[in-house]
Amino acid sequence: GAVVSQHPSWVICKSGTSVKIECRSLDFQATTMFWYRQFPKQSLMLMATSNEGSKATYEQGVEKDKFLINHASLTLSTLTVTSAHPEDSSFYICSARSGTSGSAKNIQYFGAGTRLSVL
Amino acid sequence: DAKTTQPPSMDCAEGRAANLPCNHSTISGNEYVYWYRQIHSQGPQYIIHGLKNNETNEMASLIITEDRKSSTLILPHATLRDTAVYYCIGIGTASKLTFGTGTRLQVTL
Repeated sequence: GAVVSQHPSWVICKSGTSVKIECRSLDFQATTMFWYRQFPKQSLMLMATSNEGSKATYEQGVEKDKFLINHASLTLSTLTVTSAHPEDSSFYICSARSGTSGSAKNIQYFGAGTRLSVL
Repeated sequence: DAKTTQPPSMDCAEGRAANLPCNHSTISGNEYVYWYRQIHSQGPQYIIHGLKNNETNEMASLIITEDRKSSTLILPHATLRDTAVYYCIGIGTASKLTFGTGTRLQVTL
């Protein structure tokens, strides 16, 4: 399957600082990337969808000014958690979709996740 | 997206086939059935997907009923490394994946 690389895998930061997470599709071009968040013992929750060169679309309840998403190329998307607070501590997972709309091979591949701990 | 229903948990002995059911009675004609799994503290892993025909790959087989209201994911020879939460998702090809609670499969010796 296709490979999605996410970096860093683990980060600890002080409250009030910003953290950037990178997501790269290594062997395919991803016109669409997704960012999810997962709290302990819960399922993944979609935060936002981003298309290359366009503004991200955020799910209801997700603050766009707090979670900045940039999808500047077909292989890279970044999520910046601005002014992080302890309640932002979570497991953040990116996903990239291969193929184009209507393709039967339109599969989302996931990164390994980033565990963020805000002190 | 189609609403899917899965049992919360299942056990399977190592070496035996694991059969994971999923109900998706409201699935529409152009929605595919996707299966993913999430091993503890990792990102979800794509397993297989299908529209109406049965599918098989190196990881698993997907059996979809003729009326498309349910499906079964089959891991033919489960190993301890197959212990994970398995998600069945019914969506159109251009849609985004949304995850339910899935089935927690525990493979035991």
